[in-house]
Amino acid sequence: QKEVEQNSGPLSVPEGAIASLNCTYSDRGSQSFFWYRQYSGKSPELIMFIYSNGDKEDGRFTAQLNKASQYVSLLIRDSQPSDSATYLCASSAGGSYIPTFGRGTSLIVHP
Amino acid sequence: GAVVSQHPSRVICKSGTSVKIECRSLDFQATTMFWYRQFPKQSLMLMATSNEGSKATYEQGVEKDKFLINHASLTLSTLTVTSAHPEDSSFYICSARVPLAGHYNEQFFGPGTRLTVL
Repeated sequence: QKEVEQNSGPLSVPEGAIASLNCTYSDRGSQSFFWYRQYSGKSPELIMFIYSNGDKEDGRFTAQLNKASQYVSLLIRDSQPSDSATYLCASSAGGSYIPTFGRGTSLIVHP
Repeated sequence: GAVVSQHPSRVICKSGTSVKIECRSLDFQATTMFWYRQFPKQSLMLMATSNEGSKATYEQGVEKDKFLINHASLTLSTLTVTSAHPEDSSFYICSARVPLAGHYNEQFFGPGTRLTVL
């Protein structure tokens, strides 16, 4: 059974700090990895995707992928209160466009 | 990016009634759409894959006679919750697949529909 595991949190960080969100996946066939942000009562919005081992940076966000360890992470630099949300990790296998979602990690950035 | 809309955004109904939720791709054609359900503090659970012009593919444990899906055009998929009961109260979200560079795909989500069954 394909699983994506995330710590539900909440993860609380002060404004300006680096928030580190982690995710592990069970399907070794997974090739695509996504981080979605979901505000309370809203639908998810894609913030990062990564396919290759290593780091991928986009503004304040950095996604990190380690396929050997089956581990994906998301770093948010200079965290802002507006970053407070639930972050969903998802993976999908090659050729598949149906991702498996984790339960999400709640992030709270306090002023 | 691609825009997916849903209607209604919120619905409250009595137990036993049927509710129809529409999902539209506004600026692109979506041959495949997906319907998810999300209970409070839970992850997205895929209910079914909606294919234009053919029958939907339902995930294990999802009653196809209760959750009717119709994908009559390349821009519209509908989910009808028949004879809704309080346990069907949830956040229903649709998404559409958009090809990215290469053979990867991205899903764009609609804003969701909050269903409350009294």
